[in-house]
Amino acid sequence: QVQLQESGPGLVKSSQTLSLTCTVSGGSISSDGYYWSWIRQHPGKGLEWIGNIYYSGSTYYNPSLKSRVTISVDTSNKQFSLKLSSVTAADTAVYYCARKRREFHYFDSWGQGTLVTVSS
Amino acid sequence: QSALTQPPSASGSPGQSVTISCTGTSSDVGTYNYVSWYQQHPGKAPKLMIYEVNKRPSGVPDRFSGSKSGNTASLTVSGLQAEDEADYYCSSYAGSNILVFGGGTKLTVL
Repeated sequence: QVQLQESGPGLVKSSQTLSLTCTVSGGSISSDGYYWSWIRQHPGKGLEWIGNIYYSGSTYYNPSLKSRVTISVDTSNKQFSLKLSSVTAADTAVYYCARKRREFHYFDSWGQGTLVTVSS
Repeated sequence: QSALTQPPSASGSPGQSVTISCTGTSSDVGTYNYVSWYQQHPGKAPKLMIYEVNKRPSGVPDRFSGSKSGNTASLTVSGLQAEDEADYYCSSYAGSNILVFGGGTKLTVL
């Protein structure tokens, strides 16, 4: 049973870069057939897909965030990471990492989520 | 890509059935059979309940079912139980490796 765990600062200053890491355990991050994803949820709001990465490094981003997002993968440490630049209060959210089936487009495993607050 | 449209709330009494709709466009729900549904209890991560429109992962009760007609997908919860009270989100593939979510529906068991 694969498990995912987010880590990173819970507080980021406005205009700086938000950085989070997701550690995968109980399974291989290099498995064929899976993308590794970031999803966020603004307080009291719905889910927003941020982007995906394949273990080879191929990435796909939400067009609305693409100019500020970078997702990378470190297969040796079984981790993938999110960087979101030029953050504002609108980026305050719970950030989830998740595993997505590559060809069937659903998220079958999720991390517990981590709240990131952007302060001025 | 706009968010899929869900009703903000739904409710039913124990034992009853409730259906939650998820309306997209011909660019997402209407074209692809890659609609999934997630259950989220307060303070918890979402949990996959339905994938590929109407398939249930192992461990999800058969009280949960999914369907699709045109640009609208639906989640039906039959035989409502207290533990079904949660937020439910739909998601659809929108082509070009893009995913879109619905705004969520709060299901209340009366």
